Amino acid sequence: KQEVTQIPAALSVPEGENLVLNCSFTDSAIYNLQWFRQDPGKGLTSLLLIQSSQREQTSGRLNASLDKSSGRSTLYIAASQPGDSATYLCAVSSLSNSKLTFGKGITLSVRP
Amino acid sequence: DAGVIQSPRHEVTEMGQEVTLRCKPISGHDYLFWYRQTMMRGLELLIYFNNNVPIDDSGMPEDRFSAKMPNASFSTLKIQPSEPRDSAVYFCASNNRGENQPQHFGDGTRLSIL
Repeated sequence: KQEVTQIPAALSVPEGENLVLNCSFTDSAIYNLQWFRQDPGKGLTSLLLIQSSQREQTSGRLNASLDKSSGRSTLYIAASQPGDSATYLCAVSSLSNSKLTFGKGITLSVRP
Repeated sequence: DAGVIQSPRHEVTEMGQEVTLRCKPISGHDYLFWYRQTMMRGLELLIYFNNNVPIDDSGMPEDRFSAKMPNASFSTLKIQPSEPRDSAVYFCASNNRGENQPQHFGDGTRLSIL
């Protein structure tokens, strides 16, 4: 059974800092890996999707990497801003079906 | 694009009552997913459909839960009878998996069973 872990559960950083959010998964037979952002009281917004054949994806100040063999992904946020404060969730899609298994998320607070 | 639309946004009802949650997926998407989010367990997949057909309902917690997708633009998740432990935020999402697209989520229904 796939398990996705995100540690730590919460992170507080000063504005402007570059930061890395980690995600690990137990089964490397994945279809893709996705990073989502969730604001309080809202649904999830997809940030980046990395296909199993890819190593990384970039969007603006965000860069996500994937190392399938070690079961790890990182989300890099450059020059963090208070508006980046949210919960970031990592999810992996199974190779055999369309199921997404989610980590419990990292709640990020960027202090002005 | 209107996005995934869920209703109601909030539902408060008494234990034992029937609850129906509704979802309209993004037009053209052939997969629809129902999730439940709680502080203790995080986000859990309950059931998903492909082309209106239920594919995997192994995440549905009990027989009190049922889901239908009568057509490509509408799905319901029903709880009957409801219990306090069903209190959670329920999300609906949709995508086209074949094109390796991300899932698009609605804003959820916050359900409170008293």
